[in-house]
Amino acid sequence: DQQVKQNSPSLSVQEGRISILNCDYTNSMFDYFLWYKKYPAEGPTFLISISSIKDKNEDGRFTVFLNKSAKHLSLHIVPSQPGDSAVYFCAARRWGAQKLVFGQGTRLTINP
Amino acid sequence: DADVTQTPRNRITKTGKRIMLECSQTKGHDRMYWYRQDPGLGLRLIYYSFDVKDINKGEISDGYSVSRQAQAKFSLSLESAIPNQTALYFCATSTGATEAFFGQGTRLTVV
Repeated sequence: DQQVKQNSPSLSVQEGRISILNCDYTNSMFDYFLWYKKYPAEGPTFLISISSIKDKNEDGRFTVFLNKSAKHLSLHIVPSQPGDSAVYFCAARRWGAQKLVFGQGTRLTINP
Repeated sequence: DADVTQTPRNRITKTGKRIMLECSQTKGHDRMYWYRQDPGLGLRLIYYSFDVKDINKGEISDGYSVSRQAQAKFSLSLESAIPNQTALYFCATSTGATEAFFGQGTRLTVV
């Protein structure tokens, strides 16, 4: 039972354009959502998060949007840069639970 | 130096062998986790520990065991390795209130 789903295994975007990565979840008890970025041969690194009391959180080129009614979140990267090429994981945490549930990941490729 | 260190980084072992993956952290976090990454399946939780005396099973604990030797050390063991345990393994730490911090991973191949 995949509670957090990233339905696009891969995404290719031209440098300078916007990258939009999507994530859906099924558990309405999730109250905190995170995005991680992973380069080959490295562990995932935290990118940005959002609490369920917000619908948007922005950090530089990265913005996460949360639509609770649709149980959907998205990560926008503007403008996309070659160094953004990586696998992106979305993750969610249920209130009171100290563990994260991860999606399958989306491989983002930024083309020059 | 990495805050979360995993050893070994790569390991090839034979079916039926016992193997231990080690994780140590300098972040001072109480919570430690072991995840496994497989293509198309993302990161799945194997075991987690909130302190030295607290060990909890994750969603895929069968075939694995763990030991929390100290606040800073959390080991994952495969008592009798099998080929479908071939994967990338990650250790992570957190305070619980914030994001988790991951080690660089151990690539395990069981032949």
